[in-house]
Amino acid sequence: DAGVTQSPTHLIKTRGQQVTLRCSPKSGHDTVSWYQQALGQGPQFIFQYYEEEERQRGNFPDRFSGHQFPNYSSELNVNALLLGDSALYLCASSGEKNYGYTFGSGTRLTVV
Amino acid sequence: TQLLEQSPQFLSIQEGENLTVYCNSSSVFSSLQWYRQEPGEGPVLLVTVVTGGEVKKLKRLTFQFGDARKDSSLHITAAQPGDTGLYLCAVNFGNEKLTFGTGTRLTIIP
Repeated sequence: DAGVTQSPTHLIKTRGQQVTLRCSPKSGHDTVSWYQQALGQGPQFIFQYYEEEERQRGNFPDRFSGHQFPNYSSELNVNALLLGDSALYLCASSGEKNYGYTFGSGTRLTVV
Repeated sequence: TQLLEQSPQFLSIQEGENLTVYCNSSSVFSSLQWYRQEPGEGPVLLVTVVTGGEVKKLKRLTFQFGDARKDSSLHITAAQPGDTGLYLCAVNFGNEKLTFGTGTRLTIIP
């Protein structure tokens, strides 16, 4: 039973570029959340998708956008990359309220 | 202002020792989760506590939810190098958004 799959695992981009990160949720899960984790800190909520719509959004600028597809997979897009966007980007899927999420291993994004 | 404060921020102890880490807030939670995250990996759920005063055990790990459901603790008995990692508490206020604490980075020295 595959868990949450994220791609790519590592990525290096130049400041000002755009990036797309991908996530396939755990089988049976229909909700996908994205988190940004800076080095040494806890994950920060970016947004959550359910039924192909953004249901919740954290305190992130509009440069961060996303999409969910009919098969529940999701993409995170970041435009006009800044050096401060360098972080581990985590995708988590869930299927029930108030229970733990299943996280992927993340995409390590480095902006130079 | 952090909603969930974890302490200590860093902890380094010898193998075989016992330790306790804490997760505190001024807010009341309907439930709380503990995760462990190893380098290069995503957080892995350890336990969910939902009842005030609840105690759950997972092998050498004991989790307690405060009576007022504002705080929680994680106690590890006879720590082993495999316990090394970042321990995160997290809460869901019913709005589907999981909010994480500041984390405790634990290192067990062989």
